[in-house]
Amino acid sequence: SAVISQKPSRDICQRGTSLTIQCQVDSQVTMMFWYRQQPGQSLTLIATANQGSEATYESGFVIDKFPISRPNLTFSTLTVSNLSPEDSSIYLCSVFRTGTGDGEQYFGPGTRLTVT
Amino acid sequence: GENVEQHPSTLSVQEGDSAVIKCTYSDSASNYFPWYKQELGKRPQLIIDIRSNVGEKKDQRIAVTLNKTAKHFSLHITETQPEDSAVYFCAASGTDKLIFGTGTRLQVFP
Repeated sequence: SAVISQKPSRDICQRGTSLTIQCQVDSQVTMMFWYRQQPGQSLTLIATANQGSEATYESGFVIDKFPISRPNLTFSTLTVSNLSPEDSSIYLCSVFRTGTGDGEQYFGPGTRLTVT
Repeated sequence: GENVEQHPSTLSVQEGDSAVIKCTYSDSASNYFPWYKQELGKRPQLIIDIRSNVGEKKDQRIAVTLNKTAKHFSLHITETQPEDSAVYFCAASGTDKLIFGTGTRLQVFP
């Protein structure tokens, strides 16, 4: 498996501010992803964080709202900008790791964001 | 892009019974189909996966089947136990990203 940590684990933010979430992996991975899980819902892919190039965003998600950095193969950040109550959600970092087999995808513990 | 449908949304079974969750996908290029279990307040945990070159895979009480022609795959849990109670997500992936189903809340009653 993969050891993935996220900071912060939770935060309460005021509307109009921003929150930056950090994701750290215990070894180098090519593919890192950011997901959102709204209360009681499934996981929605926000973007793929590419090392050395701009992130690839899914439909409905834009760079101005969700800027992503990927400075190296073990670390990424997701910023949620100009917060509104609708951004209250759990944000999860995920990595695809290839080991001895074809690879598997694992999730970090998540960051619970509440916007007031 | 890929679209994954999952049924049922909720499933209640008696301890010891079997549970089956079904998913369909739209992209015929998808070749990787994992299942995740998510307990309340926890991260999704990978419990089993299957790739398109395999029709069935088992791991103790859990099995997954894949029908590529019909583009559907299923999770089977036998001899269910109360600790199997959780939300289960199926997912499908081609070469680059996982798309998730809507989830099934499984409740196992003792």
